[in-house]
Amino acid sequence: GAVVSQHPSWVICKSGTSVKIECRSLDFQATTMFWYRQFPKQSLMLMATSNEGSKATYEQGVEKDKFLINHASLTLSTLTVTSAHPEDSSFYICSARGRGGLDTQYFGPGTRLTVL
Amino acid sequence: QKEVEQNSGPLSVPEGAIASLNCTYSDRGSQSFFWYRQYSGKSPELIMSIYSNGDKEDGRFTAQLNKASQYVSLLIRDSQPSDSATYLCAVKNYGGSQGNLIFGKGTKLSVKP
Repeated sequence: GAVVSQHPSWVICKSGTSVKIECRSLDFQATTMFWYRQFPKQSLMLMATSNEGSKATYEQGVEKDKFLINHASLTLSTLTVTSAHPEDSSFYICSARGRGGLDTQYFGPGTRLTVL
Repeated sequence: QKEVEQNSGPLSVPEGAIASLNCTYSDRGSQSFFWYRQYSGKSPELIMSIYSNGDKEDGRFTAQLNKASQYVSLLIRDSQPSDSATYLCAVKNYGGSQGNLIFGKGTKLSVKP
C-alpha cells in the first residue's frame, strides 16, 4: 500500500516552455501533498504544500507564479514549471500524506527535468 | 530555525557489520521521526517511523529515540552492499507548513563486500 506515482519520470524541454508534472496517490486518499526539489548531491528542499481544494502554501523564496501547484482531487496534484530556464533543471519529487492525522509521507519516484 | 543535523559521512562499514546512523534535532517539541533511504538518482523510501522513546525494530533495522537528548538513531544489522545509500533523518514540523517534514542532509553509507 501507500504508492505514489509521478509522471513523467523525466522530461527535456526548451528554455521558455512550461512543463507539467503529475503526482498521484494510487491506493490512498492524499489530503496533503508536498513538492520538493533536489539538486545533485544536496538534500531535499521543500517547495510547497498543497491540500485538496485549496491554494498551495509556498516556502520562502519559491516563486508561486513560476511553480504553479494544483491539488484538484484527493489523488492528484500537479506542478507546472512555467517559462522554464536552465537553472530550473532539477529532480522534482512529490510526497503524499493520507487522512486521519497520520504523519507518514510517501514519496513518488521523482521527475528529472532538464531545461536546454 | 528548526534544524535536523546528520553527519554527512561517508560512513563505511564492512559487509555483515552493524551500521549506526545518528541524527539530532533542535525542536524539543517534536513528536514524529522518520528514517528514509535514498539511492543515488532515486526518491526517498520510508524505512521506519518512531514516535516513542526507546527502540523500535523492523527486521535488520532498529530505530532509537531519546527525546530528552533530542537524538534519534538508526542501526542496520548484518549490513549488506545493497544497503549502500544515503539515509535521511526527518522530523515532523508541527509548527510549520501543515506538518511538513524537516530533513537532515543525509548520511551516505557505504557497505564494502
